[in-house]
Amino acid sequence: DQQVKQNSPSLSVQEGRISILNCDYTNSMFDYFLWYKKYPAEGPTFLISISSIKDKNEDGRFTVFLNKSAKHLSLHIVPSQPGDSAVYFCAARGGGTSYGKLTFGQGTILTVHP
Amino acid sequence: NAGVTQTPKFQVLKTGQSMTLQCAQDMNHEYMSWYRQDPGMGLRLIHYSVGAGITDQGEVPNGYNVSRSTTEDFPLRLLSAAPSQTSVYFCASSYDGNQPQHFGDGTRLSIL
Repeated sequence: DQQVKQNSPSLSVQEGRISILNCDYTNSMFDYFLWYKKYPAEGPTFLISISSIKDKNEDGRFTVFLNKSAKHLSLHIVPSQPGDSAVYFCAARGGGTSYGKLTFGQGTILTVHP
Repeated sequence: NAGVTQTPKFQVLKTGQSMTLQCAQDMNHEYMSWYRQDPGMGLRLIHYSVGAGITDQGEVPNGYNVSRSTTEDFPLRLLSAAPSQTSVYFCASSYDGNQPQHFGDGTRLSIL
């Protein structure tokens, strides 16, 4: 039972254009969402997060949108750069007894072409 | 500042062998966790710890043991390795469970 799903295994965009990575979740107890970026042979690196009380969070070229009614979040990268090419994981965290536990999606491979 | 250090980076085991994956962090983080990454599955939580002396199970704990005798170290033990445990293992830490976790670079483990 995959509680966090990234349905697009891969995405290819041109440098300078927008990259949109999507993530869906099923557990309504999730109250905090994160995006991680992973390069080959390295560990995931935290990118940006959003609390369930917000619908948007922006940090430079990266913006995360949360639609709670649809249980959907997305990561927008504008403008995309070749160095953004990596695997992107969304992750969700629940409150209460789930303190600190992250549930990850399967990941989306982003390729940004020069 | 080394962050989260995992050793070894690569390991090949035979079925039935035991081994310990090491994880150390130098950021004085209370929260530490172990994940495994398998193709098409994302990262799945194995065990976690909210502080020295306190550990608990995650989503896929079977076949793994952990202990947390110090704040800095959180080793993961495979008591009797099985081919299904072939995976990439990541250790992570954070100041507390509400902060984003910092990951090590992983241990790639193959069990024949």
